[in-house]
Order: sequence, then structure tokens, then C-alpha cells
Amino acid sequence: AQRVTQPEKLLSVFKGAPVELKCNYSYSGSPELFWYVQYSRQRLQLLLRHISRESIKGFTADLNKGETSFHLKKPFAQEEDSAMYYCALSGGNTPLVFGKGTRLSVIA
Amino acid sequence: DTEVTQTPKHLVMGMTNKKSLKCEQHMGHRAMYWYKQKAKKPPELMFVYSYEKLSINESVPSRFSPECPNSSLLNLHLHALQPEDSALYLCASSRPGLAGGREQYFGPGTRLTVT
Repeated sequence: AQRVTQPEKLLSVFKGAPVELKCNYSYSGSPELFWYVQYSRQRLQLLLRHISRESIKGFTADLNKGETSFHLKKPFAQEEDSAMYYCALSGGNTPLVFGKGTRLSVIA
Repeated sequence: DTEVTQTPKHLVMGMTNKKSLKCEQHMGHRAMYWYKQKAKKPPELMFVYSYEKLSINESVPSRFSPECPNSSLLNLHLHALQPEDSALYLCASSRPGLAGGREQYFGPGTRLTVT
């Protein structure tokens, strides 16, 4: 069965500190992994996808198949990064499976 | 046009009312989705349309009735809802092809309150 686990419900960091939002997945084949972000009163939007290996707003995420992880990282947190972050998995013909989300709070 | 739009933004309805939520996209996406999102929770998949045909129904009660009139439009018809159906209803779309394996683009949602 497909499953996405985000172990932290809430992560609080100080501005300028490094950020790592954890995501582990369970899937028997080759999944596509995504990070979505939901800022307050805004729509859910795609932040990163593992196949493009890009950096968006200073965030990066590397798929580690050995550890079945797709952690989201940023070296220096900014106040505007405060939001809800969802890790999601898609495989084969099945739609997205979301993790429960991690709320990131960046403290000034 | 690279957005998914949804109307109305807010909807308050009584348990005996009939109403509809609308979703529109002009990105050429041939897969469209309805999700329900409660506060501080991830979206829960309700329905998937692929090439205008219902391909997934996640055991949603019949008081929710989806419709896909064409490749750009998706409706969700509501009837005899319960207060626990109050939530943010999200529409999403993804590129042509498989219903899965593609990133989805979300609309802003309709905030539904059932009184």
C-alpha cells in the first residue's frame, strides 16, 4: 500500500536557521514525489517535484530510494516560509497520496 | 491561462438545499479531481475524472454527485448535506494521460458551510 509519513506536525525554527521537513514513503514501485505548500488563505501549490531536481524559493529535496525518504531542506529559513507543507506521492495509475502535513513556523 | 478557478468562494446552505460547485481550467488537462479538506488536515480525494469519464469514486456518499460536462469544466452537485460536510472543497487538474503520475494544480477552493 502507498503511504506517506511526515513525522512532525509542527516545526518551529528561528529566522536564518536551517530547515528540514521530513518525509518518508512506502511504495513498491518507482514513485513520483512532490512537495506542496499551503500559505495562509492561499491555494495549495506545487513547490517541488523530485524528477526536476530544481530549487524553488531556496528549497531542495532529494529522493533517497534506499531510505525511502524525500526530505525538504532550506539552509536559511525566512519568515515568509511559514506555511503548511505536504509531501505527496504518485505511482502508476493512482492519484496523489498526501502525508498529514507539517506546519512550519519561522520565528523572527 | 495557467490557473484552476472555482466558484463560489464561499457557500452556506441548509440541509435541504441543492447547490453546485463549479471548477474550470484551460490548461488542456484531461484529468480533474475533487478533494475535501478539513481544517489543518490534508486534502482527501473524493472523485477523479479522466478524459471526462469518472475513473475513481472514493466511496463518497451519494449526496455528492460529480459531473464533467466537457474537458474544461467539473461540477459537484450537493443535495441533503449534513453539518459534518462543512469543509473546503478543492478542485485540481493534471496533464493529459494517466490519472496518476502527474503533478496536480489546485484551485483556491470553495468554503462550504452546512447549517
